[in-house]
Amino acid sequence: SQQGEEDPQALSIQEGENATMNCSYKTSINNLQWYRQNSGRGLVHLILIRSNEREKHSGRLRVTLDTSKKSSSLLITASRAADTASYFCATRMDSSYKLIFGSGTRLLVRP
Amino acid sequence: DTGVSQNPRHKITKRGQNVTFRCDPISEHNRLYWYRQTLGQGPEFLTYFQNEAQLEKSRLLSDRFSAERPKGSFSTLEIQRTEQGDSAMYLCASSVTGEGSPLHFGNGTRLTVT
Repeated sequence: SQQGEEDPQALSIQEGENATMNCSYKTSINNLQWYRQNSGRGLVHLILIRSNEREKHSGRLRVTLDTSKKSSSLLITASRAADTASYFCATRMDSSYKLIFGSGTRLLVRP
Repeated sequence: DTGVSQNPRHKITKRGQNVTFRCDPISEHNRLYWYRQTLGQGPEFLTYFQNEAQLEKSRLLSDRFSAERPKGSFSTLEIQRTEQGDSAMYLCASSVTGEGSPLHFGNGTRLTVT
């Protein structure tokens, strides 16, 4: 079963605009990670935020985490056509080593 | 860093046949994961190895599925008596030890059962 659910399921924006994706999860976590997947390829790790952190930045990426609401958001600023991909959040619970992935947001950046 | 390698990239088989996939993780990674992904969905956890020990296995995994990592290096995933519902992308990932260690994924094996 999926732990996380991303919202929206699909997002279409113009190049240069910002893209925001949200993730909600069900149980307490140790950390939350975001991954990106290009069509037909494996997933690539983008950024990790620990349960005691509220915000983290990496280049054009900004991730927030609200453990009281069990939610996270991923912001991609100044989007590029090459950002077109599916984005997944993944959570790791304290009691497990496995990462549980959400259903993903499919992002289309129009040139 | 040669990355995680999966073979074959594509496999077409008839219902009822057995198939085996191979995963070669990044050499210094002691953790290895198998996931299954269907179209439009996120990866679904199948099983996890720490070195050669299989430490977690999804309850969704039927007895037809078995995975091994005999020497703590490469891993194989076998599906016996394949069914059409087994058609999916099978992804392998590896990582080093550590709660914050990111997973490094291979490009997957796409299985089509006809």
